[in-house]
Amino acid sequence: AQSVTQLGSHVSVSEGALVLLRCNYSSSVPPYLFWYVQYPNQGLQLLLKYTTGATLVKGINGFEAEFKKSETSFHLTKPSAHMSDAAEYFCAVSQNSGYALNFGKGTSLLVTP
Amino acid sequence: NAGVTQTPKFRILKIGQSMTLQCTQDMNHNYMYWYRQDPGMGLKLIYYSVGAGITDKGEVPNGYNVSRSTTEDFPLRLELAAPSQTSVYFCASSDPLPGHILVQHFGDGTRLSIL
Repeated sequence: AQSVTQLGSHVSVSEGALVLLRCNYSSSVPPYLFWYVQYPNQGLQLLLKYTTGATLVKGINGFEAEFKKSETSFHLTKPSAHMSDAAEYFCAVSQNSGYALNFGKGTSLLVTP
Repeated sequence: NAGVTQTPKFRILKIGQSMTLQCTQDMNHNYMYWYRQDPGMGLKLIYYSVGAGITDKGEVPNGYNVSRSTTEDFPLRLELAAPSQTSVYFCASSDPLPGHILVQHFGDGTRLSIL
């Protein structure tokens, strides 16, 4: 079954520093991969997705992720963290059925001044 | 443009009570989903629907029921509330068109406590 593992339940960075949130996937078929962000007391919002084609995908708010098949990874990065980036981030992979997603456990990003 | 709307936002139930969590979307999406979110556990799929009249179980369906009589609405029912069902519940929808099928749009959640 398709699954994702997010390394690090909490990540802390200084404002202006590089953000790196790690996600590794397990899939028996070519996966569709997603990153979602959740701000406090809100639902999840799509940051970016990989389906086919270019392996480096750009999303909203300056985030990007690279699909690396050889490493089964889909890490999320942002060159310079902003205070407003503090949130919970979820990596997700498509299920075999093609209808739904399997989510990781999430990584809470803290941005310090 | 409301998107996915969930009601209520908060609710406290007593053990054994029943309730229905409402979800409606105005994007004409065929696919709809119910998830529960527990601290440190991510989102678990409870039920999903690929169109009116069609529902299917997700990973954690026990203790819940759903129906899908219209494209817009996808209510989730708890028949006999148990403390283990204390959670935040999210409804989502997606568009089956190519390239959009798995991009899910989420509501703001219902925070449910069962005491």
